Amino acid sequence: DIQMTQPPSTLSASVGDRVTITCRASQSIGPWLAWYQQKPGTAPKLLIYKASSLESGVPSRFSGSGSGTEFTLTISSLQPDDFATYYCQQYNKYPYTFGQGTKLQI
Amino acid sequence: QVQLGQSGAEVKKPGASVEVSCQASGYTFTSYGIGWVRQAPGQGFEWMGWISGDNENRNYAQKFQGRVTMTTDTSTSTAYMELRRLRSDDTAVYYCARSGGSWFDTWGQGTLVTVSS
Repeated sequence: DIQMTQPPSTLSASVGDRVTITCRASQSIGPWLAWYQQKPGTAPKLLIYKASSLESGVPSRFSGSGSGTEFTLTISSLQPDDFATYYCQQYNKYPYTFGQGTKLQI
Repeated sequence: QVQLGQSGAEVKKPGASVEVSCQASGYTFTSYGIGWVRQAPGQGFEWMGWISGDNENRNYAQKFQGRVTMTTDTSTSTAYMELRRLRSDDTAVYYCARSGGSWFDTWGQGTLVTVSS
């Protein structure tokens, strides 16, 4: 199975900061990566697909980049609503796998 | 708007089976598949498998082969996931999510399945 790694597991930041969250794949997955946001007690929300395509309705302060084994999710200016846990997911090969998540906290 | 509504929480004994349903609305059900993903308490996500909306194609994670069955009912736009021979480590929130076979663009609210003697 393809292992997805998201260091660090927790990231501290402040409102207005530019934040970058990293996701690494154990083998090349091309651009076949999605990013999700999850808040406690709720279902995940799709932010980015195909590494850099912004899902409809998602604020433009979110962006994704990368290909192969290294990917990043960037939030250009943190808003209070953005404090959540972020997960990456590869869909290059079955079984699809997720990173363990990066919790963004104040 | 696109919505997925899941069945309610379940408590099961080890060795039993559970079936979770997922009713879709707001789109043509057979144009997309449904993926199933679970999240154990305080943990990340585990992909269980995917089924096409027309019930013709399915792909299960090897870990669940022989224990899981995914089906759809196109007449009611509902997907089902049955997990058999439950163990305590199957305790998790089970999500359905709409998928064309890749990313998940809409998720259900989740169904908590607790396995306990």
